[in-house]
Amino acid sequence: SQQGEEDPQALSIQEGENATMNCSYKTSINNLQWYRQNSGRGLVHLILIRSNEREKHSGRLRVTLDTSKKSSSLLITASRAADTASYFCATDGRGAGSYQLTFGKGTKLSVIP
Amino acid sequence: GAGVSQSPRYKVAKRGQDVALRCDPISGHVSLFWYQQALGQGPEFLTYFQNEAQLDKSGLPSDRFFAERPEGSVSTLKIQRTQQEDSAVYLCASSFLGLAALTDTQYFGPGTRLTVL
Repeated sequence: SQQGEEDPQALSIQEGENATMNCSYKTSINNLQWYRQNSGRGLVHLILIRSNEREKHSGRLRVTLDTSKKSSSLLITASRAADTASYFCATDGRGAGSYQLTFGKGTKLSVIP
Repeated sequence: GAGVSQSPRYKVAKRGQDVALRCDPISGHVSLFWYQQALGQGPEFLTYFQNEAQLDKSGLPSDRFFAERPEGSVSTLKIQRTQQEDSAVYLCASSFLGLAALTDTQYFGPGTRLTVL
């Protein structure tokens, strides 16, 4: 079963605009990760944020985590056409089985040149 | 270095046929995972290996699904008597660390798209 849920399900923006995607999850976590998946391809790891972190940056990516609300957001600044892909958040569980990643359904991002 | 590779990339099977999907993890990676991704969904966990030991197979949907990693490197996911509901993309991932570590980054292969007619 899916633990996380991304919002929105689909997002269409113009090149140069910022894109924000949100993820909510249900159980306590050690870490939350964001992945990108281009059509017909595997998942590419973007960023990992630990449960004791609130914000993390990597290039044009900014991730926030609010464990009290069990939610995270991914911001892509100055979007490019190449950012067009599906974006998934993935959480692990605490304790036994923490290696299992549980993914949401993803946000499909379209960046229009 | 080379990433995770999977073969075949596409597989079409007739209902009832057996299939075998191969995964070559990144060299030296201890952990190996299989996930199933249905159309329009996120990946769902199937099974986990630490070296050659299958430590968790709780996500395998039925006893028709079987996975092995006999020498602790290459892994094969076998599906017997395929059904239409088995149609999905099967993703393999590997990570450097083993079970003792907290979550380590998982590196995914391109997947095998299985279509059961």
